[in-house]
Amino acid sequence: GQNIDQPTEMTATEGAIVQINCTYQTSGFNGLFWYQQHAGEAPTFLSYNVLDGLEEKGRFSSFLSRSKGYSYLLLKELQMKDSASYLCAVMDSNYQLIWGAGTKLIIKP
Amino acid sequence: GAVVSQHPSRVICKSGTSVKIECRSLDFQATTMFWYRQFPKQSLMLMATSNEGSKATYEQGVEKDKFLINHASLTLSTLTVTSAHPEDSSFYICSARPGTPGETQYFGPGTRLLVL
Repeated sequence: GQNIDQPTEMTATEGAIVQINCTYQTSGFNGLFWYQQHAGEAPTFLSYNVLDGLEEKGRFSSFLSRSKGYSYLLLKELQMKDSASYLCAVMDSNYQLIWGAGTKLIIKP
Repeated sequence: GAVVSQHPSRVICKSGTSVKIECRSLDFQATTMFWYRQFPKQSLMLMATSNEGSKATYEQGVEKDKFLINHASLTLSTLTVTSAHPEDSSFYICSARPGTPGETQYFGPGTRLLVL
């Protein structure tokens, strides 16, 4: 079966750095997406990785290792507004998005 | 760019009534639109995938006669929840994909449905 694993919840301090991991087992791979979802709102797109390596976009970076079935989202200089759920999703061979359950990130002052 | 709107944002209805939710891509043509449902503190659950001009493909366990999807144009898809019941109360989110299958999906703001 297809499976996406990510931690249920993480806590970090304002101004610090946090890494949210995601491991996956899917039938085929056409890219990995990270989305941010604030409570009561729809997800918003953060990043897309299809090749191995690190993609940096401002305070957020995303890393992919296809051989390990592993990705992480790195958030730097954390701000209170970064408190949200972060969803990892993999596009399988049928171009369907397989969703993780999301990681709730709590930022403390 | 890549803005998706959804209407209404919130709806309360009586049990047994039908509710229609619209999803529009405002600045691009969406070959494919997706409808998701999300219960509190749970992940997104794909309900169906629709391509413009053809019948929607429903995920296993989703009743196609209860959740009617129409994708009449490249910028509009509608989801109608027929004979709604309290267990249909949920957050319904649509997303739209601009073109080729490998592109990302852009999400609408969601519709919160409460069936009394």
